[in-house]
Amino acid sequence: KAGVTQTPRYLIKTRGQQVTLSCSPISGHRSVSWYQQTPGQGLQFLFEYFSETQRNKGNFPGRFSGRQFSNSRSEMNVSTLELGDSALYLCASSSLGGSSTDTQYFGPGTRLTVL
Amino acid sequence: AQSVTQLGSHVSVSEGALVLLRCNYSSSVPPYLFWYVQYPNQGLQLLLKYTSAATLVKGINGFEAEFKKSETSFHLTKPSAHMSDAAEYFCAVSVTGNQFYFGTGTSLTVIP
Repeated sequence: KAGVTQTPRYLIKTRGQQVTLSCSPISGHRSVSWYQQTPGQGLQFLFEYFSETQRNKGNFPGRFSGRQFSNSRSEMNVSTLELGDSALYLCASSSLGGSSTDTQYFGPGTRLTVL
Repeated sequence: AQSVTQLGSHVSVSEGALVLLRCNYSSSVPPYLFWYVQYPNQGLQLLLKYTSAATLVKGINGFEAEFKKSETSFHLTKPSAHMSDAAEYFCAVSVTGNQFYFGTGTSLTVIP
C-alpha cells in the first residue's frame, strides 16, 4: 500500500497570504489528523477528520481550518499567514478511526516558510 | 487532561551502548502510549505502542519499552545503539477519537 502523501513538500509564502495543504491518506483509512511541528512547541494537534466530519480540534485560532472529502483526502487551510505559522505540517491517517489504540501513520510533511 | 513529558531533549550515547529515552505521562484515563521516530526531513514512523496488553512492548529495530503504571512511565530502551538510530524520538499518549498528545521529543546522537 502506498503511504500517506502530502503536497506540496515545500512552500514559501508571505505574511497575509493564505495557503492550502493537501493530504492523501493510506487507502482505506478514514481518519485524518493534522499536526503543526515547530522547534519551540514540538508537535501540536490541529484537528482530526473522520468521514468528512471534524471530530476533534486543537487549540489553534480560526485562521486554521480543514476539510475532508468523500474519498478521505483532506486539506488544511491557513488564512492571513503570520511569521509564526512557519512550521512543518504533518498529516496522519489511521484505519479504524474510532479507537484510541489506533496507529497513526504519518506523511513526510509540508514545510511552510512564511516571509 | 493528558500530557507527556520527555526528560532530556538531547541524549548522546556511544555506538554499542545502551539507549534509554525517558517518557512520563499524565492521563485521567487508562492510557495508550506510543513511541515514534523521526529522521531528518521525514514524517514520524511508529516504533511501538502499548495498548494494555503486555507491559513490556517490543518494537522495530530492536527497541522496546516498559509500561510502569506506578511510575507513570513508558521509557524506551535499546541494548546496543547503532549509528542508524540517530534521530528524533517522540513519546505520545492517545485519547479517544485519535487525538494524540506528543512529548517535545528527544534528539538521539550516536557517537562512533
